[in-house]
Amino acid sequence: DIQMTQSPSTLSASVGDRVTITCRASQSIRDWVAWYQQQTGKAPKLLIYKASNLASGVPSRFSGSGSGTQFTLTISSLQPDDIATYYCQQCDNYSWTFGQGTKVEIK
Amino acid sequence: QVQLVESGGGVVQPGRSLRLSCEASGFTFSGKGMHWVRQAPGKGLEWVAVIWNDGSERYYAESVKGRFIISRDNYQNTLYLEMNRVTAEDTAVYFCARGKGLEDSSGWFYFFDSWGQGTLVTVSS
Repeated sequence: DIQMTQSPSTLSASVGDRVTITCRASQSIRDWVAWYQQQTGKAPKLLIYKASNLASGVPSRFSGSGSGTQFTLTISSLQPDDIATYYCQQCDNYSWTFGQGTKVEIK
Repeated sequence: QVQLVESGGGVVQPGRSLRLSCEASGFTFSGKGMHWVRQAPGKGLEWVAVIWNDGSERYYAESVKGRFIISRDNYQNTLYLEMNRVTAEDTAVYFCARGKGLEDSSGWFYFFDSWGQGTLVTVSS
């Protein structure tokens, strides 16, 4: 099975900061990565699919990049509403796996 | 708009069974693959199972294979998860999620484009 490793586990930043979360796959997965945001007590929400495509209705301050084994999710200017845990996800051979999550806090 | 509403969660004793439901609306249910994803208290997301839009194929995580059964009723727009021989490790919020696939030159990439609010299953004696 392909493992997804996110870093950091927790991130503390100020409003307006640029924030970057990294996800590393245990083997090449092309650009087959999605990113989700989960606010406390809520369902996950799709942010990015196929590494760099913004999902419908997602603010343009979110962006994704990467291919192969290294992927990043960037928030260009952190907002209070962005406080959440973020997960990357891959799909290989009809098995879906998530990273362990990155919790983003306001400093 | 897309709505997914889970139900059926609750407290169940170890070794017993429970059936979860997910009622879908706002889209053509019979045209979409559907998933169950769970989240243990304070933990991350774990994919559980998928069923193709017509029910022709089903896949399971190793942790539930042989114990859980995913099914669907395309006339009732409802997805199910039958949980058998449950253990404490099955305690989690269970989300149903709509699948989406994109094809490129390498094959198909599948992800989750809509999620329900979840239903909590607690396995305890």
